[in-house]
Amino acid sequence: GAGVSQSPRYKVAKRGQDVALRCDPISGHVSLFWYQQALGQGPEFLTYFQNEAQLDKSGLPSDRFFAERPEGSVSTLKIQRTQQEDSAVYLCASSLDGQGLREQYFGPGTRLTVT
Amino acid sequence: AQTVTQSQPEMSVQEAETVTLSCTYDTSENNYYLFWYKQPPSRQMILVIRQEAYKQQNATENRFSVNFQKAAKSFSLKISDSQLGDTAMYFCALGSNYQLIWGAGTKLIIKP
Repeated sequence: GAGVSQSPRYKVAKRGQDVALRCDPISGHVSLFWYQQALGQGPEFLTYFQNEAQLDKSGLPSDRFFAERPEGSVSTLKIQRTQQEDSAVYLCASSLDGQGLREQYFGPGTRLTVT
Repeated sequence: AQTVTQSQPEMSVQEAETVTLSCTYDTSENNYYLFWYKQPPSRQMILVIRQEAYKQQNATENRFSVNFQKAAKSFSLKISDSQLGDTAMYFCALGSNYQLIWGAGTKLIIKP
């Protein structure tokens, strides 16, 4: 079956622009996670959904970051007024279990470059 | 605060050799899980192996095995008979509740 997909794969934004990153999880997966991965680093947790409920958004760096999963499937991560420090790879992962502690399935990521 | 430390930024070995990647962690949780994930060049992150902290037996998956030392808070990954396809970034991660805390990764290069 299809894995986790993310779009766009690459995004170049001018500083100050808004961007929207999409994640299509594996069908039926309950949990969905967003991570930010800086170059040469491990992923850092941003936010977590269980179905349509956003249970933790403590990792979002600022109020310019917003995530939603309105129907418990596709999720969008929106960044308003992008800044250079937002440049990173944004990873989405989904999991069949409610906490993502069995296995998380990752998408290919969206590489965001803010110029 | 929970932390994960991978002290080897890069390693390289010859094909068919055995290699061990190190990971230490810190947590005050009693119930947690440990993971090794692999991120091949330009490809998606995939799970290599998972260990439940309450299980004393070390997890194994084919050529991959772990040495889990709970008291020392150490979780190393051993790759036996290494193959060219094992070339990747390897990340150690600690999970409790729903959050994964990740190490900075070890770049593993398998040379032909």
